[in-house]
Amino acid sequence: DVKVTQSSRYLVKRTGEKVFLECVQDMDHENMFWYRQDPGLGLRLIYFSYDVKMKEKGDIPEGYSVSREKKERFSLILESASTNQTSMYLCASIRNSEQYFGPGTRLTVT
Amino acid sequence: QKEVEQDPGPLSVPEGAIVSLNCTYSNSAFQYFMWYRQYSRKGPELLMYTYSSGNKEDGRFTAQVDKSSKYISLFIRDSQPSDSATYLCAMRRGSEKLVFGKGTKLTVNP
Repeated sequence: DVKVTQSSRYLVKRTGEKVFLECVQDMDHENMFWYRQDPGLGLRLIYFSYDVKMKEKGDIPEGYSVSREKKERFSLILESASTNQTSMYLCASIRNSEQYFGPGTRLTVT
Repeated sequence: QKEVEQDPGPLSVPEGAIVSLNCTYSNSAFQYFMWYRQYSRKGPELLMYTYSSGNKEDGRFTAQVDKSSKYISLFIRDSQPSDSATYLCAMRRGSEKLVFGKGTKLTVNP
């Protein structure tokens, strides 16, 4: 069974805080992705990674960075959280061309 | 023109109805087509996956791809209240990133 987990379901942070969102997959997948999902805007790709220590910018990378030190773990970092980063964050990985999502982290920045 | 267009709905049907959900796309190079179901406050769940043209059936769900018309459909037979969710279409070419529709919100009324 495909398993993508995210460290938190709900998170509340203050403006200016550094925020870490963790994603782990247990399937030895090479490709991993971070999206955010907002009403009316759909899913937007922030960053993705094809392998350990490799990263590529997606459509909206500004204000975010990522880290992939181990194959199974892909972290999204908000260096200085802002209120416009309040959103649902979704991690995903690919197996056999099929993309699977984690349960999501709903982040609120106050 | 957007790469993938999907009517956001909302769509409301009585229990037992046949539901038709659709997406159109502009990039004729797309090869892989997926449908995701997303319940409120959860991550998207892969429902159907099709490579190239044709039909695929899984229980009450049928996915159709018409590459000549650049049109994909998801049919749900004998719809149930538990089918109430947002349905997202997604597609891509080769190993490139997935392109998503914005989702159609479906409510099945008992």
